[in-house]
Amino acid sequence: GAVVSQHPSRVICKSGTSVKIECRSLDFQATTMFWYRQFPKQSLMLMATSNEGSKATYEQGVEKDKFLINHASLTLSTLTVTSAHPEDSSFYICSAPDPSVAYNEQFFGPGTRLTVL
Amino acid sequence: GQNIDQPTEMTATEGAIVQINCTYQTSGFNGLFWYQQHAGEAPTFLSYNVLDGLEEKGRFSSFLSRSKGYSYLLLKELQMKDSASYLCASMDSNYQLIWGAGTKLIIKP
Repeated sequence: GAVVSQHPSRVICKSGTSVKIECRSLDFQATTMFWYRQFPKQSLMLMATSNEGSKATYEQGVEKDKFLINHASLTLSTLTVTSAHPEDSSFYICSAPDPSVAYNEQFFGPGTRLTVL
Repeated sequence: GQNIDQPTEMTATEGAIVQINCTYQTSGFNGLFWYQQHAGEAPTFLSYNVLDGLEEKGRFSSFLSRSKGYSYLLLKELQMKDSASYLCASMDSNYQLIWGAGTKLIIKP
C-alpha cells in the first residue's frame, strides 16, 4: 500500500517557539492531505485539509494563523505550530488519500508527538 | 448533524470472538471504514464497506447496513496483540471522514 512519512516523530520545545512538522507521500502524489490532532484517550480531530497549490481549508475553531499549513508540492505538506503553548501538546497525524485506490482510503503518517514545556 | 457512535470500551478473552458496533449519521455516504490504532501510533486500515453485507478478511470481518446506518467489526480468535482502539469512520458526500471516538478493546488471557 501507499506510504506516508512524517517528521519528526517526537519533539519537545519551549513555550513560545515554533515547530514545523513535515508530511510526505513517498510513492504516490497527494493533491490533498489531512492534518489531525489527537489528545490522550480521544478520537482524531480534523484540523485542516491541505490542498496542493492553494490555501488550506481549516475546520471550525482551528486558528489558521497559529497552525500554518503549506502544501508546496504533490508529495509534501507542512504544518507549523507557531508560538506553541503547553495546551498545544498533542499527537499530530497527517494522512493522504491515494488516488489510485478506488475508495479514497486514507494512508496515515506515523504521527508526531509534540510536547510544549 | 453528523454523528458516529461506538462503545467506549470493551473487554474480551483471548481466543474468543468480539463484535464492535458503530452507528452513523452523516451528510451523504461514501462508505464506512474501520481502523485499528495502538496506543501512541497512527491508525491502520482494516476494512471498507460501501454496500450492504459482510466483508470477510481473515480473522476480521465488517458488516454494513445502509438503511439502518449501522456497521460492526467482528474479530475472531482474539489474540493479545488485538488489544487496541478500533475507530469507525464514515465518509460523507464531500469524501471527508467523520470519525467515531473509538472503542478501546482490552483482551484478557
